[in-house]
Amino acid sequence: DAGITQSPRHKVTETGTPVTLRCHQTENHRYMYWYRQDPGHGLRLIHYSYGVKDTDKGEVSDGYSVSRSKTEDFLLTLESATSSQTSVYFCAISGEPQNRGYTFGSGTRLTVV
Amino acid sequence: DAKTTQPTSMDCAEGRAANLPCNHSTISGNEYVYWYRQIHSQGPQYIIHGLKNNETNEMASLIITEDRKSSTLILPHATLRDTAVYYCIVRVDLYSGGGADGLTFGKGTHLIIQP
Repeated sequence: DAGITQSPRHKVTETGTPVTLRCHQTENHRYMYWYRQDPGHGLRLIHYSYGVKDTDKGEVSDGYSVSRSKTEDFLLTLESATSSQTSVYFCAISGEPQNRGYTFGSGTRLTVV
Repeated sequence: DAKTTQPTSMDCAEGRAANLPCNHSTISGNEYVYWYRQIHSQGPQYIIHGLKNNETNEMASLIITEDRKSSTLILPHATLRDTAVYYCIVRVDLYSGGGADGLTFGKGTHLIIQP
């Protein structure tokens, strides 16, 4: 979607290695989110940010950390990847008022072998 | 946020109106109804949202019952590209004290448009 890009689009990594996924926005939106999507579980919130250096945990935050040092970038890090973290990861952004809805990125397909 | 109930799947003929129902009987006065869809392998896409009045945009119409316990998303002339999973989500208004903690997605309705 215009204004939000995720990188990389695909990644294969080995168990135990660190991995960082990047979400970049050009909309200057305050709120940013990381979701994961797995068959049978739908979309689940990992972490979110409500401003630079302001982040909080979502439903499935164990094993993940995030950082937001500037408005446009929200990084998701898997400190030591496990096979259970094989998933499709989506980033989303939302401006103010939030009632206008969220814009999602195209996703990152991560495979941990 | 209030819970929603949607049918697991629906079929609709191409060119006809697709009407997707959603029940949200425990909705509060300050909760909005949102609709998103997800076409295979893509990120979810915002469609429309409303509080109590019916809403229409270039993609769809949203009809909310007077008691706000249910709503219907209408795609007026469905095409094959409308085949997707449609999510109905109820969300507290940020300015009424709602948090910034994201949307909660259920399993949605898999809408299949038949040629």
